[in-house]
Order: sequence, then C-alpha cells, then structure tokens
Amino acid sequence: DGGITQSPKYLFRKEGQNVTLSCEQNLNHDAMYWYRQDPGQGLRLIYYSQIVNDFQKGDIAEGYSVSREKKESFPLTVTSAQKNPTAFYLCASIRTGRWDEAFFGQGTRLTVV
Amino acid sequence: QKEVEQNSGPLSVPEGAIASLNCTYSDRVSQSFFWYRQYSGKSPELIMSIYSNGDKEDGRFTAQLNKASQYVSLLIRDSQPSDSATYLCAVNGGNYGGATNKLIFGTGTLLAVQP
Repeated sequence: DGGITQSPKYLFRKEGQNVTLSCEQNLNHDAMYWYRQDPGQGLRLIYYSQIVNDFQKGDIAEGYSVSREKKESFPLTVTSAQKNPTAFYLCASIRTGRWDEAFFGQGTRLTVV
Repeated sequence: QKEVEQNSGPLSVPEGAIASLNCTYSDRVSQSFFWYRQYSGKSPELIMSIYSNGDKEDGRFTAQLNKASQYVSLLIRDSQPSDSATYLCAVNGGNYGGATNKLIFGTGTLLAVQP
C-alpha cells in the first residue's frame, strides 16, 4: 500500500546526543515536510524539500538538519544544539501541482531523558 | 498578525448540531486550503481541501472559502461524539516569510461534541 512511514514511533534521547528520525514515502510525491508539534499547539514547520538535493528552512530550523538524497526519503536529525527537543515530530509528503494535498506519517514522539 | 489564525476553543456542541469552525489567513495570494482532523496523540488526517471560492461538500462536511475576506470555514452537520478532535486549518501557495509553497498550519480548534 502507498503511504508515508515514520520510524521509530517513540525515541528517547540523552542530553547532548544527536538523533535521526526517518521518513519514507512511496507515493511518488515530490515535496516532503517536517513539522514539530508541542502539547496543545499547532504544527510548526522545521524544514521542507520540493525536489531531490534541495531543501529550505522553515520557521524553526535551528538545531535541526535534513538531507534529501532520494525522492522517497527525507530524514531529520535533531542535533545537540536543539535545546528543547521533546515534542511530536510529523513528516508529510505533498504531490506538487494543482491538487497539493499533504498526507502525514504516524509521527515520532521524541523525549529527552 | 499570525499567518493562519484559528480560535483555540474548545468549541462545545450537542450531538446532532452543526459545528462551525473558522480560519483566517494573512497572504492574499494563497491558493490551497485544507482542513485536517487530529485525534489526541495521532497524526493529522485530511478531511477537506478547497481551491476555489464558494462551498465544497463531502458527506457531513462543507468547506467554505472566501478569498476576498481571506477566510475559510468548515461546517460539520449532524455532529457526532466521534467528531470530537482538534481541527487544523492549513494554507499553501502563498508567500509566507518570503518563501512559496510553505504549507502553514493554524494552531487548531478543539471540538467537543456532547452526547
């Protein structure tokens, strides 16, 4: 079945560690997005990519990094520079063009321990 | 001014009533408008998309878009307790922060349907 897969579902990070969240899609969508959601809050854009080997910073990119080496994959690294990384991370893919609906993976809940 | 604004709620309606959710956006050139439903602890689920002025109906859901007023709304008819969730408004195709194709979300409205 086509869809977006995020892994892991839960992730625990120690202080000072980098961690990488995986996002894979087989929908043949060009664009992929990463959002962060804090409790009771909306979605804030971290990074997005509209084509392979290109990506743009969103509103809260500091402390995060991404790569887009393949159309299907858009991993997000939460670096030690991100001072408050505990949150729910959501990856979405979008079919660019006129009907640009976004579909989400199931999310990764990151907790700093 | 926030780029996409919604009332946080909670919006409480009795079962069987019409729930009306509202959203305004700041960039007049925005092209695409979406409503997502998010249950607690889950990822957002697309329920409606709208691209042209007017109404779009899908089952119990109706999306309304008024580009002149920069306003988009969602009506849920015959509300059910299972509709209780956070409803997120999203906008794409504008020029937010100098970048195009940024899919921007509001903070969401919590809907509670009382049995």
